[in-house]
Amino acid sequence: AQSVAQPEDQVNVAEGNPLTVKCTYSVSGNPYLFWYVQYPNRGLQFLLKYITGDNLVKGSYGFEAEFNKSQTSFHLKKPSALVSDSALYFCAVRDRGSARQLTFGSGTQLTVLP
Amino acid sequence: DTAVSQTPKYLVTQMGNDKSIKCEQNLGHDTMYWYKQDSKKFLKIMFSYNNKELIINETVPNRFSPKSPDKAHLNLHINSLELGDSAVYFCASSPAGTGSHNEQFFGPGTRLTVL
Repeated sequence: AQSVAQPEDQVNVAEGNPLTVKCTYSVSGNPYLFWYVQYPNRGLQFLLKYITGDNLVKGSYGFEAEFNKSQTSFHLKKPSALVSDSALYFCAVRDRGSARQLTFGSGTQLTVLP
Repeated sequence: DTAVSQTPKYLVTQMGNDKSIKCEQNLGHDTMYWYKQDSKKFLKIMFSYNNKELIINETVPNRFSPKSPDKAHLNLHINSLELGDSAVYFCASSPAGTGSHNEQFFGPGTRLTVL
Protein backbone atom coordinates (compact mmCIF):
# COMPACT_ATOMS: atom_id res chain seq x y z
CA ALA A 1 0.00 0.00 0.00
CA GLN A 2 1.09 3.58 -0.52
CA SER A 3 -0.03 6.77 1.14
CA VAL A 4 1.02 10.36 1.55
CA ALA A 5 0.24 12.89 4.26
CA GLN A 6 0.34 16.65 4.22
CA PRO A 7 -0.14 17.55 7.88
CA GLU A 8 -0.93 21.22 7.32
CA ASP A 9 -4.07 22.35 5.54
CA GLN A 10 -2.86 25.94 5.51
CA VAL A 11 0.56 27.60 5.65
CA ASN A 12 0.97 31.35 5.90
CA VAL A 13 4.29 33.07 5.36
CA ALA A 14 5.40 36.66 4.84
CA GLU A 15 6.79 37.66 1.47
CA GLY A 16 10.57 37.33 1.42
CA ASN A 17 10.63 34.73 4.19
CA PRO A 18 11.55 31.10 3.60
CA LEU A 19 8.67 28.67 3.19
CA THR A 20 8.25 24.98 3.90
CA VAL A 21 5.33 22.76 2.94
CA LYS A 22 5.50 19.38 4.63
CA CYS A 23 4.95 15.93 3.16
CA THR A 24 5.47 12.45 4.56
CA TYR A 25 4.88 9.22 2.70
CA SER A 26 4.51 5.50 3.16
CA VAL A 27 5.37 2.85 0.57
CA SER A 28 6.33 -0.81 0.66
CA GLY A 29 9.46 -0.31 -1.41
CA ASN A 30 11.21 2.79 -2.70
CA PRO A 31 9.25 5.84 -3.75
CA TYR A 32 8.90 8.16 -6.65
CA LEU A 33 7.88 11.50 -5.12
CA PHE A 34 6.33 14.52 -6.78
CA TRP A 35 5.18 18.02 -5.99
CA TYR A 36 2.43 19.73 -7.97
CA VAL A 37 0.94 23.22 -7.63
CA GLN A 38 -2.64 24.25 -8.39
CA TYR A 39 -3.54 27.88 -8.91
CA PRO A 40 -7.19 28.91 -8.55
CA ASN A 41 -9.45 27.47 -11.24
CA ARG A 42 -6.53 25.78 -12.96
CA GLY A 43 -5.22 22.25 -13.39
CA LEU A 44 -2.24 20.91 -11.49
CA GLN A 45 1.23 21.86 -12.68
CA PHE A 46 4.31 19.75 -12.07
CA LEU A 47 6.98 21.38 -9.87
CA LEU A 48 9.61 18.74 -9.20
CA LYS A 49 10.20 15.05 -8.54
CA TYR A 50 12.54 12.68 -6.78
CA ILE A 51 13.50 9.52 -8.64
CA THR A 52 16.91 8.52 -7.32
CA GLY A 53 20.29 10.07 -6.61
CA ASP A 54 20.72 13.42 -4.89
CA ASN A 55 18.36 13.91 -2.01
CA LEU A 56 17.98 17.61 -2.80
CA VAL A 57 15.84 18.15 -5.86
CA LYS A 58 15.49 21.51 -7.56
CA GLY A 59 12.43 22.40 -9.57
CA SER A 60 10.46 25.18 -11.18
CA TYR A 61 10.05 28.73 -9.85
CA GLY A 62 12.92 28.40 -7.35
CA PHE A 63 11.35 25.54 -5.39
CA GLU A 64 13.31 22.62 -4.05
CA ALA A 65 12.55 19.56 -1.98
CA GLU A 66 14.63 17.26 0.17
CA PHE A 67 14.12 13.52 0.19
CA ASN A 68 14.72 12.07 3.65
CA LYS A 69 14.43 8.30 3.64
CA SER A 70 14.84 7.83 7.38
CA GLN A 71 12.05 10.28 8.13
CA THR A 72 10.03 9.26 5.03
CA SER A 73 9.62 12.91 4.18
CA PHE A 74 9.77 15.08 1.08
CA HIS A 75 9.24 18.66 2.25
CA LEU A 76 8.92 21.45 -0.30
CA LYS A 77 11.00 24.57 0.32
CA LYS A 78 11.77 27.96 -1.13
CA PRO A 79 14.32 30.39 0.32
CA SER A 80 12.28 33.54 -0.34
CA ALA A 81 8.52 33.42 -0.83
CA LEU A 82 6.65 35.54 -3.36
CA VAL A 83 3.01 36.62 -3.20
CA SER A 84 2.58 34.84 -6.54
CA ASP A 85 3.54 31.54 -4.85
CA SER A 86 0.16 31.56 -3.12
CA ALA A 87 -1.59 28.41 -4.33
CA LEU A 88 -2.58 24.87 -3.37
CA TYR A 89 0.32 22.43 -3.23
CA PHE A 90 0.03 18.67 -3.59
CA CYS A 91 2.57 16.03 -2.73
CA ALA A 92 2.25 12.66 -4.50
CA VAL A 93 3.89 9.27 -4.23
CA ARG A 94 4.18 6.12 -6.29
CA ASP A 95 5.80 2.91 -5.07
CA ARG A 96 8.62 2.26 -7.53
CA GLY A 97 8.11 -1.49 -7.52
CA SER A 98 4.39 -1.32 -8.05
CA ALA A 99 2.09 -0.69 -10.96
CA ARG A 100 -0.13 1.35 -8.70
CA GLN A 101 -1.22 4.80 -9.64
CA LEU A 102 -0.02 8.05 -8.18
CA THR A 103 -1.46 8.78 -4.75
CA PHE A 104 -1.94 12.45 -3.91
CA GLY A 105 -1.92 14.11 -0.53
CA SER A 106 -4.81 16.23 0.66
CA GLY A 107 -3.14 19.47 -0.38
CA THR A 108 -1.73 22.45 1.52
CA GLN A 109 -2.95 25.96 0.85
CA LEU A 110 0.01 28.32 0.87
CA THR A 111 -0.67 32.00 1.39
CA VAL A 112 2.17 34.46 1.07
CA LEU A 113 1.35 37.74 2.75
CA PRO A 114 2.68 40.99 1.30
CA ASP B 1 -0.47 25.59 -27.80
CA THR B 2 -2.68 23.86 -25.27
CA ALA B 3 -1.09 20.60 -24.15
CA VAL B 4 -4.09 18.96 -22.48
CA SER B 5 -7.49 20.45 -23.22
CA GLN B 6 -10.92 19.64 -21.86
CA THR B 7 -14.41 20.61 -22.94
CA PRO B 8 -16.59 21.93 -21.56
CA LYS B 9 -15.01 24.03 -18.83
CA TYR B 10 -18.31 24.26 -16.94
CA LEU B 11 -21.23 21.86 -17.01
CA VAL B 12 -24.46 22.43 -15.13
CA THR B 13 -27.13 19.79 -15.43
CA GLN B 14 -30.07 18.15 -13.70
CA MET B 15 -30.05 14.92 -11.76
CA GLY B 16 -30.68 11.89 -13.92
CA ASN B 17 -29.20 13.38 -17.09
CA ASP B 18 -26.37 11.87 -19.12
CA LYS B 19 -23.35 14.01 -19.98
CA SER B 20 -19.91 13.72 -21.53
CA ILE B 21 -16.61 15.47 -20.98
CA LYS B 22 -13.99 15.43 -23.70
CA CYS B 23 -10.22 15.45 -23.34
CA GLU B 24 -7.48 15.80 -25.90
CA GLN B 25 -3.71 15.92 -25.57
CA ASN B 26 -1.25 17.00 -28.24
CA LEU B 27 1.87 15.86 -26.40
CA GLY B 28 2.13 12.45 -28.02
CA HIS B 29 1.75 10.75 -24.64
CA ASP B 30 0.82 7.09 -24.30
CA THR B 31 -1.13 7.28 -21.07
CA MET B 32 -4.16 9.34 -20.12
CA TYR B 33 -6.09 9.65 -16.87
CA TRP B 34 -9.27 10.96 -15.35
CA TYR B 35 -9.24 12.40 -11.84
CA LYS B 36 -12.04 13.71 -9.63
CA GLN B 37 -11.41 16.62 -7.27
CA ASP B 38 -14.08 17.05 -4.63
CA SER B 39 -15.17 20.18 -2.81
CA LYS B 40 -12.41 19.71 -0.24
CA LYS B 41 -9.83 19.65 -3.06
CA PHE B 42 -9.09 15.97 -2.50
CA LEU B 43 -7.83 14.44 -5.75
CA LYS B 44 -8.61 10.84 -6.63
CA ILE B 45 -7.82 8.88 -9.76
CA MET B 46 -10.76 7.34 -11.58
CA PHE B 47 -9.34 5.75 -14.72
CA SER B 48 -6.09 5.28 -16.56
CA TYR B 49 -5.68 4.36 -20.22
CA ASN B 50 -2.48 3.28 -21.95
CA ASN B 51 -2.51 3.29 -25.74
CA LYS B 52 -6.32 3.22 -25.81
CA GLU B 53 -6.58 0.31 -23.37
CA LEU B 54 -8.02 0.57 -19.89
CA ILE B 55 -5.32 -0.04 -17.31
CA ILE B 56 -6.78 1.20 -14.05
CA ASN B 57 -10.39 1.41 -13.01
CA GLU B 58 -10.61 2.51 -9.43
CA THR B 59 -13.75 2.07 -7.36
CA VAL B 60 -15.92 4.20 -9.58
CA PRO B 61 -19.64 3.55 -10.18
CA ASN B 62 -20.33 1.92 -13.50
CA ARG B 63 -22.37 5.01 -14.42
CA PHE B 64 -18.96 6.41 -15.39
CA SER B 65 -17.63 5.05 -18.65
CA PRO B 66 -14.40 6.23 -20.25
CA LYS B 67 -13.87 5.96 -23.97
CA SER B 68 -10.57 6.33 -25.81
CA PRO B 69 -11.11 6.55 -29.60
CA ASP B 70 -7.38 7.07 -30.13
CA LYS B 71 -4.23 7.69 -28.12
CA ALA B 72 -4.78 11.46 -28.06
CA HIS B 73 -8.33 11.41 -26.73
CA LEU B 74 -9.98 10.15 -23.56
CA ASN B 75 -13.61 11.04 -23.04
CA LEU B 76 -15.70 10.51 -19.92
CA HIS B 77 -19.38 9.70 -20.18
CA ILE B 78 -21.57 9.83 -17.09
CA ASN B 79 -25.04 8.28 -16.99
CA SER B 80 -27.85 9.10 -14.58
CA LEU B 81 -26.04 11.94 -12.88
CA GLU B 82 -26.35 12.26 -9.11
CA LEU B 83 -25.80 15.17 -6.74
CA GLY B 84 -22.63 13.54 -5.44
CA ASP B 85 -21.09 13.66 -8.90
CA SER B 86 -20.66 17.42 -8.55
CA ALA B 87 -16.92 18.02 -8.61
CA VAL B 88 -14.09 19.18 -10.82
CA TYR B 89 -12.92 16.51 -13.24
CA PHE B 90 -9.35 16.65 -14.51
CA CYS B 91 -7.87 14.88 -17.46
CA ALA B 92 -4.12 14.25 -17.46
CA SER B 93 -1.51 12.54 -19.61
CA SER B 94 2.01 11.20 -19.20
CA PRO B 95 4.60 9.89 -21.62
CA ALA B 96 4.86 6.30 -20.37
CA GLY B 97 2.99 3.56 -18.57
CA THR B 98 1.37 3.60 -15.18
CA GLY B 99 4.45 2.49 -13.26
CA SER B 100 6.75 5.12 -14.63
CA HIS B 101 8.40 8.03 -12.87
CA ASN B 102 7.21 10.50 -15.46
CA GLU B 103 5.20 13.48 -14.35
CA GLN B 104 1.65 13.99 -15.46
CA PHE B 105 0.33 16.96 -17.41
CA PHE B 106 -3.10 18.13 -16.35
CA GLY B 107 -5.91 19.78 -18.25
CA PRO B 108 -7.69 22.88 -16.92
CA GLY B 109 -10.55 20.91 -15.44
CA THR B 110 -14.30 20.63 -15.99
CA ARG B 111 -16.49 21.87 -13.15
CA LEU B 112 -19.60 19.70 -13.06
CA THR B 113 -22.58 20.88 -11.06
CA VAL B 114 -25.55 18.57 -10.69
CA LEU B 115 -28.76 20.26 -9.53
